[in-house]
Amino acid sequence: AQSVTQLGSHVSVSEGALVLLRCNYSSSVPPYLFWYVQYPNQGLQLLLKYTTGATLVKGINGFEAEFKKSETSFHLTKPSAHMSDAAEYFCAVSDRNAGNMLTFGGGTRLMVKP
Amino acid sequence: ETGVTQSPTHLIKTRGQQVTLRCSSQSGHNTVSWYQQALGQGPQFIFQYYREEENGRGNFPPRFSGLQFPNYSSELNVNALELDDSALYLCASSRNWERTQYFGPGTRLLVL
Repeated sequence: AQSVTQLGSHVSVSEGALVLLRCNYSSSVPPYLFWYVQYPNQGLQLLLKYTTGATLVKGINGFEAEFKKSETSFHLTKPSAHMSDAAEYFCAVSDRNAGNMLTFGGGTRLMVKP
Repeated sequence: ETGVTQSPTHLIKTRGQQVTLRCSSQSGHNTVSWYQQALGQGPQFIFQYYREEENGRGNFPPRFSGLQFPNYSSELNVNALELDDSALYLCASSRNWERTQYFGPGTRLLVL
């Protein structure tokens, strides 16, 4: 079965600093990879996804992620944090050989200090 | 284009009762998935419906059941509610040939 690990349940950065949220997956075949963001009392919004092709993926709100097969990782970055980035971030995968149901990591809460 | 909608937004039930949650898929989407998100955790896949039939199921007991209607909307039914069923229930829709799922705002269920 697929599993997703997000290192760090809480990450705190200063406004303007680099954001790095870590995601590792366990699968012998690289899955499809997603990052979603959840603001308080809301559903999940897709930030970006990797399906095939270029391993550096750009998403909304200035976020990007790089798929590294050798490290089974899909870390999310943003060069400069903004106060509005404070939210819960979830990494998710779906199996290439099965349906599109998602397996999520436990989430990382990003806090941005002024 | 209308996104995924869910009703109700909040619900309070007592242990042993039954509950029905509703979801309208995004326009053009024919597949609906349901997820349970307990407080402080990531969402967990419950099941998926495509062409009005269950198309995959996660590790949830049979008291969690669902329906999909010809207009692709869906219901999640939970019988014999337990305290641990308290969670945010998320519905997501997609086109069956696409990988991306789009989520609704969720229904927050509290079981007392």
